[in-house]
Amino acid sequence: GIQVEQSPPDLILQEGANSTLRCNFSDSVNNLQWFHQNPWGQLINLFYIPSGTKQNGRLSATTVATERYSLLYISSSQTTDSGVYFCAVEPRGGSEKLVFGKGMKLTVNP
Amino acid sequence: GAGVSQSPSNKVTEKGKDVELRCDPISGHTALYWYRQRLGQGLEFLIYFQGNSAPDKSGLPSDRFSAERTGESVSTLTIQRTQQEDSAVYLCASSLRIGQPQHFGDGTRLSIL
Repeated sequence: GIQVEQSPPDLILQEGANSTLRCNFSDSVNNLQWFHQNPWGQLINLFYIPSGTKQNGRLSATTVATERYSLLYISSSQTTDSGVYFCAVEPRGGSEKLVFGKGMKLTVNP
Repeated sequence: GAGVSQSPSNKVTEKGKDVELRCDPISGHTALYWYRQRLGQGLEFLIYFQGNSAPDKSGLPSDRFSAERTGESVSTLTIQRTQQEDSAVYLCASSLRIGQPQHFGDGTRLSIL
């Protein structure tokens, strides 16, 4: 099946710093979604981004489907950005399920 | 309600008992998904519904797991004869249609003693 790899696996930042999270996938996809799981376990859908670039406040995401990767940018990080970020893809070819990466744990210190 | 609602939020039960987990999707969402998340791990797909039909049950870990959905609304995930390895957070998500952005509930934390 499709492989979804996220990097880096863990990241520690000082408040105000910027960061880039990467998601590589091994096969063609119908769509790609980025999620944030906060320290209380709640999963929030950040972006639905099968291709192109989207921005939402301090966050933006870019997916280059032809090269099979996506990037999530966090600018001017805040302590509330802490948590685990997941990339998930829907493989092309009939399967409707999302395949998740293992996640990237972000800690933003004050 | 405004979001996906799951109940109970926590469930502790003895090994061998059956448990039933409930998910109320966002009103009007035709697609519903169940995932399992073990401690410190990513999400593992279990099953999805398009309407009341579950076209792909291959993600269910064993025949002790079953799920149903009625009225294109509420879904229940049932685990029979629970085992300790079933301990996890069970997350439900819904989307307007298959392939659209998924919105998650807060999950049910299941602990098997």
